[in-house]
Order: sequence, then structure tokens, then C-alpha cells
Amino acid sequence: EVQLVESGGGLVQPGGSLRLSCAASGFTFSSYSMNWVRQAPGKGLEWVSYISSSSSTIYYADSVKGRFTISRDNAKNSLYLQMNSLRDEDTAVYYCARDLRRAAFDIWGQGTMVTVSS
Amino acid sequence: IQLTQSPSSLSASVGDRVTITCRASQGISSYLAWYQQKPGKAPKLLIYAASTLQSGVPSRFSGSGSGTDFTLTISSLQPEDFATYYCQQLNSYPKTFGQGTKVEIK
Repeated sequence: EVQLVESGGGLVQPGGSLRLSCAASGFTFSSYSMNWVRQAPGKGLEWVSYISSSSSTIYYADSVKGRFTISRDNAKNSLYLQMNSLRDEDTAVYYCARDLRRAAFDIWGQGTMVTVSS
Repeated sequence: IQLTQSPSSLSASVGDRVTITCRASQGISSYLAWYQQKPGKAPKLLIYAASTLQSGVPSRFSGSGSGTDFTLTISSLQPEDFATYYCQQLNSYPKTFGQGTKVEIK
């Protein structure tokens, strides 16, 4: 079964750090680009970051640029999001999603909740 | 690229035909996808390339459009279709989403 499973969410104080992980199974992870997408409570979807299959190309939303770092380990079938200098407005459910290039994000994880609060 | 969905919400009855529109701030060819999201769940891909139905998605869902104007149609609304629907442009990064359309039971 093709599956993505996120982990690493939790409660963190403003200015703190957190590292999210996304474990992939059921497909050749190293062949696909990946994304992180987040959704603040009661709000819509916001694309956060993209990484190509070989990690050679990376993009960030302006809202997280300079604070978040996306990475992957193809040997471990895993995607990561290092989040530093967290702000209240980073509170959201964070999803990892498989990228079908210019077609769609076809596979999504169940999400992991990040709460930034003092 | 900004995407504007309309309406933001709608009330409909089982069996109704429902149409949701998505307008892009600039041309995106056919690089548009539609997702369905139910409360507490991850988004589910319904349609990609503006009009191609994802495998396993019921045929009552259809998409159309190109350039800047797109439409998602549910031909006969079923109880399991009450959810929030999002469009997404995949023409360029950032791959933005529309603000969502909530389909509620009348």
C-alpha cells in the first residue's frame, strides 16, 4: 500500500524548533519529488516547501524562507522539515505530499499537528 | 499566482448538481487539480490536469477549463460528498491553493 506517515509534531514555545519526519512506503521514494503543505486550524491549505527527488532543487514559501529547511534521505525513504524560529502563525497541521510534477499532489500523509504557544 | 474559488460555501441537497469555479490570476494552461477534504482528514485528489479523473474517484465528479477559468462539477450530490473542495495550480511554484469551497447539506 502506498503510504506516507508524518511524525514529530507537538507543542513548542515561540522561537523554538521542531523537526518533522515523513516515512514513505509502498513506492519508490527516490523517484519522486515531495512537498510539505500545512493547514492552520479552520483555515485553508498552504504549500510550504518542495524538494526534488535528488534534493538538487528546493523551494520555500516566503512565509517560512530562512526559518525552515526541507531535506530527504532516500536510503531511509524519509522526508524531513526542520522548523526553527517558530511563530504563533506556524501553528497548523503539517502534511507531506507526493509530487506528480505539474499534475497534482497525489498521495498525502495523515498530518501531524504543530502548536506554537507559550 | 492567486486562485479564487466561488462560492466560498454552498448548501445543496442530495441529488443536486453542484458547480464550483476556480479562477487563476494568470494563465496556467491545464495545470490545475481539485481536492476533497473532510474534517480531520487529509485532502484527497479528485481531478488533475483540469479534467482527468483520478483512479477510483466516482464518475459523478468532472472538471473542465483551461487558461484562467476552471470548473468542478458534481453531477448528482451524494451524502459522502459533503466536504470542502480546493483547487490548486501546478503551473509554477509556489503551487498555490484556492481558499476552499465548503459544500453543506441543505
